[in-house]
This record gives sequence, structure tokens and C-alpha cells, in this order.
Amino acid sequence: SYVLTQPPSVSLAPGKTARITCGGDNIGIKSVHWYLQKPGQAPVLLISYDSDRPSGIPERFSGSNSGNTATLTISRVEAGDEADYYCQVWDPTSDHWVFGGGTRLTVL
Amino acid sequence: EVQLVQSGAEVKKPGESLKISCKGSGYDFTNFWIGWVRQMPGKGLEWMGMIYPGDSDIRFSPSFQGQVTMSGDKSISTAYLQWSSLKASDTGMYYCARLRGAASDPFDIWGQGTTVTVSS
Repeated sequence: SYVLTQPPSVSLAPGKTARITCGGDNIGIKSVHWYLQKPGQAPVLLISYDSDRPSGIPERFSGSNSGNTATLTISRVEAGDEADYYCQVWDPTSDHWVFGGGTRLTVL
Repeated sequence: EVQLVQSGAEVKKPGESLKISCKGSGYDFTNFWIGWVRQMPGKGLEWMGMIYPGDSDIRFSPSFQGQVTMSGDKSISTAYLQWSSLKASDTGMYYCARLRGAASDPFDIWGQGTTVTVSS
């Protein structure tokens, strides 16, 4: 089955740029979606189809996807961005959804 | 407003049965897939499966096939997730989510989650 690999944690100071990766075999040919989950809350769709921002998501959040790695980039990180971030793809060979293990973003 | 509202928290004993619900409103419930996602305590998101309320087409993750039942009642815009015999390892948060369109579209609307605790 298809596997998505994310770093367990990313830490950085406010105002810096966070890059959260999502690795998968030839993931560049798949559409990657990203979700944000704050403590005690349900996940929220953050980025769809590699780089599309749903309405209401700040422009500081962006996505890219190429080769074996998709990347979520958060510019000018704020304390309020502290959350768990998950990538997700649809695997058409199995007709299944796959989530990455999640990355906890900590703002120092 | 498009929303999914899930049933309340449950505390059950091992071996008991359980059915939790997810009610959609503000959109045509029949024409959008509903996915179910498990989150065990302190862990990540796991896709369990999904149901298309229009014709009850169901897809399961291999990890959950045979462990749970999914169903829907389009007349009341509600999807269900059911266990016949709970185990302690079923303890967790269960989310339903609407897929934006096709089975391969992202999960754009999420329910608030239902906490299931299984303990003797």
C-alpha cells in the first residue's frame, strides 16, 4: 500500500518560514491535500490539489509537489500556527485514501 | 451553512455494540461521499472508509474491513458507523467528513468528532 512520510515535528521562531515535507513514491504525479488540526479541534482543509487554498485560508500557506516530495510552506509563522499538519493522497491503484503520519509545528 | 453534526460521546464496555451518526445539512447529502476517519489518543489520522449516500456504495480501508459497518439514511441526511462488538482498542475520536465531489476529492467539511471510550 502507498505510504506517506512526514517529519514528526518542526520547530522554529516566529516570523520564520516553515517547510513541512510529505514524502511518497513518485508523489509528484498525485494530488496532495493538506489539513491542519489544532488541539481539541477537528481537522480543517488547508491546501487542496497540491497548491490550492480554500476560501478563508491565509496566503501565508502554500503548497508544492514534485518528484518524491510534497511541501507545505508557512511564511511568517505565528504562534497561532502551532498545530498538527497532515498530508493526504488518493491512491487510485487501491481506491483508498492515505494520510501521512502528521507533523507537529511548534513556534518557539 | 454546510455542516456535519456528529452524535455525542460514548462510553461502552468491551463486547458491547455501538452506532454513531453524522448528520449533514446545508447541501445535497445524497450527492457527496462521506468519509470516516479514526484518531486514536495522541495519534494521527487514519482513513477508515467512505460511503456514497446516493446509492450506498462503500469503500473500506483494509485495516477496517470487517471491523466496522458503514451505512446511511439519505431520507434524513445521516451516515452511520457501527460496531457489533467493541474492543478496548476501538477507543478514540471518530470524525466524519464530506468529500468535495468525487471519491478522489479532498475532505472539505468535517464533523466535530465523536469520542468513543471502551473500557471495562
